[in-house]
Amino acid sequence: DVKVTQSSRYLVKRTGEKVFLECVQDMDHENMFWYRQDPGLGLRLIYFSYDVKMKEKGDIPEGYSVSREKKERFSLILESASTNQTSMYLCASSFGGPGGTQYFGPGTRLLVL
Amino acid sequence: TQLLEQSPQFLSIQEGENLTVYCNSSSVFSSLQWYRQEPGEGPVLLVTVVTGGEVKKLKRLTFQFGDARKDSSLHITAAQPGDTGLYLCAGVDNYGQNFVFGPGTRLSVLP
Repeated sequence: DVKVTQSSRYLVKRTGEKVFLECVQDMDHENMFWYRQDPGLGLRLIYFSYDVKMKEKGDIPEGYSVSREKKERFSLILESASTNQTSMYLCASSFGGPGGTQYFGPGTRLLVL
Repeated sequence: TQLLEQSPQFLSIQEGENLTVYCNSSSVFSSLQWYRQEPGEGPVLLVTVVTGGEVKKLKRLTFQFGDARKDSSLHITAAQPGDTGLYLCAGVDNYGQNFVFGPGTRLSVLP
């Protein structure tokens, strides 16, 4: 079974703090994604990566950065957390083209105070 | 930007009832996927449909892709409490480049 793990299920941070969210997948997938999920808005793509050290902006990259130093690991960084970044963050991985099945982690619920 | 709309946004039904949820767009998609997300978990793929008019069945769930590949429906027969969750449709545009999720239908099946 494909397994995607995320470093934390719940996280509480203060405004202005630097936040690291880590995601690891064990299926040697080339593609990895970070989404945020908010009620009524669905999943919105923040960043994705098709290869090691490669990154592409998604629909809402402002306020975020990413790092992919190893194939299995994709990190999302909030340089200076703000209250409007309070959300559920979901990581996913897939292989092949854009229509490939995405395998999701359990999510990290982040609260920024 | 291609958009996917889903309806209804919320649905609460009794165990044993049938229901249909919809995923619509004004754009053509080369394929559509349906995911289910249970509380506290990430979405899990249920099915992918790729051919206009295609019908796929997964136990009590029936998925249909519209003839024009702009819409899809999910029908659940004799719903059970275990069907409770957020149902998301997601699609790849006709150029095979962009992948987008709909906002989801939140289903609650009461025992």
